[in-house]
Amino acid sequence: DQQVKQNSPSLSVQEGRISILNCDYTNSMFDYFLWYKKYPAEGPTFLISISSIKDKNEDGRFTVFLNKSAKHLSLHIVPSQPGDSAVYFCAARPTGANSKLTFGKGITLSVRP
Amino acid sequence: KAGVTQTPRYLIKTRGQQVTLSCSPISGHRSVSWYQQTPGQGLQFLFEYFSETQRNKGNFPGRFSGRQFSNSRSEMNVSTLELGDSALYLCASSPAPAGGNEKLFFGSGTQLSVL
Repeated sequence: DQQVKQNSPSLSVQEGRISILNCDYTNSMFDYFLWYKKYPAEGPTFLISISSIKDKNEDGRFTVFLNKSAKHLSLHIVPSQPGDSAVYFCAARPTGANSKLTFGKGITLSVRP
Repeated sequence: KAGVTQTPRYLIKTRGQQVTLSCSPISGHRSVSWYQQTPGQGLQFLFEYFSETQRNKGNFPGRFSGRQFSNSRSEMNVSTLELGDSALYLCASSPAPAGGNEKLFFGSGTQLSVL
């Protein structure tokens, strides 16, 4: 059972425009959410996170929005740059010290120059 | 500060063999987690070790095992390899047990191919 779903496997946007990457989850116990970015031949690197007590967190060009009632979060990248082309993983974990991180399958973002 | 180091970078094995992968966490990090990445399944959690103790385990068969040493370095072992074990194995470390607001720092992975 896929508890974190990234239903769109890929997204292509023009440089300078907004990229919106979506993620849905089913486990209502999830209360901390993260986005990781992965380039080929490298490990994932942390991008941005959000706690369930917030509905928005911003870091430079990256903003994550959380809609708890819809069990949905999205990552906005504005403006998109060619260097943003990578695989983006959404991840979530429930409350508790012994909680594991559950990842989605990832979205491949291509930013066209 | 050096990042998470995984060795070897690439590995080719045949069905039935066993394999050991190694992970050295960031200095000072005591938690090590292992993930399997395949094109169709994304990142799947294998297990997490903290202070030489397994804290959490994913839904993988007993052929997958791991351990952590007193210097926080970790190894994972896969016995009786199957074709479906071909994947990128990623190791991640964090200062404290993975949970709460802890962020994971990943290595570049070991690409395992089973022929």
